[in-house]
Amino acid sequence: QQKVQQSPESLSVPEGGMASFNCTSSDRNFQYFWWYRQHSGEGPKALMSIFSDGDKKEGRFTAHLNKASLHVSLHIRDSQPSDSALYFCAARNNNNRIFFGDGTQLVVKP
Amino acid sequence: EAAVTQSPRNKVAVTGGKVTLSCNQTNNHNNMYWYRQDTGHGLRLIHYSYGAGSTEKGDIPDGYKASRPSQENFSLILELATPSQTSVYFCASGGHNSNERLFFGHGTKLSVL
Repeated sequence: QQKVQQSPESLSVPEGGMASFNCTSSDRNFQYFWWYRQHSGEGPKALMSIFSDGDKKEGRFTAHLNKASLHVSLHIRDSQPSDSALYFCAARNNNNRIFFGDGTQLVVKP
Repeated sequence: EAAVTQSPRNKVAVTGGKVTLSCNQTNNHNNMYWYRQDTGHGLRLIHYSYGAGSTEKGDIPDGYKASRPSQENFSLILELATPSQTSVYFCASGGHNSNERLFFGHGTKLSVL
């Protein structure tokens, strides 16, 4: 069963625009959430984490977590062409199992 | 930054042949993972390890074996490769604490003909 579901599958935004990704988990044992980014031809790289309810901001990136609804989101403001990549949501439970969503492909058009 | 090195970067194998993918990490991480990535499936966990000598089955272990002879090295073994195992394989390492990130290698592109 898919424990972490991401939407949308793909996203296209203009340069300078806002990109938003969503992730819903199906397991209340998930305590730790990460967003990973993968540029073409490379391995995924951790972007930011969120473990507590509410917002977490790091530069142009803002993550939001709502544990009650098992929903995590990531927002990129002022999107740049270099942000074009595959974005993964990952959830980790207390048994150290990590589950990844299928990813959202972002294209930022100049 | 943590370094995870995979070898080879590219591999072409024949059906029925044996393939070994290697992974080395230099950051003394306890946990290591093997994932495969296919279009439409994201990252799927094949095997993982909590330390030298240990291996655990992930979500899609059939057709794969794993070996963790040391803290630094974690191998994925395809005893009898099949075309359905054509994919990109990623190794990752991470600390024991649940709030720690994973560090991925650059991946191995495997084609089984």
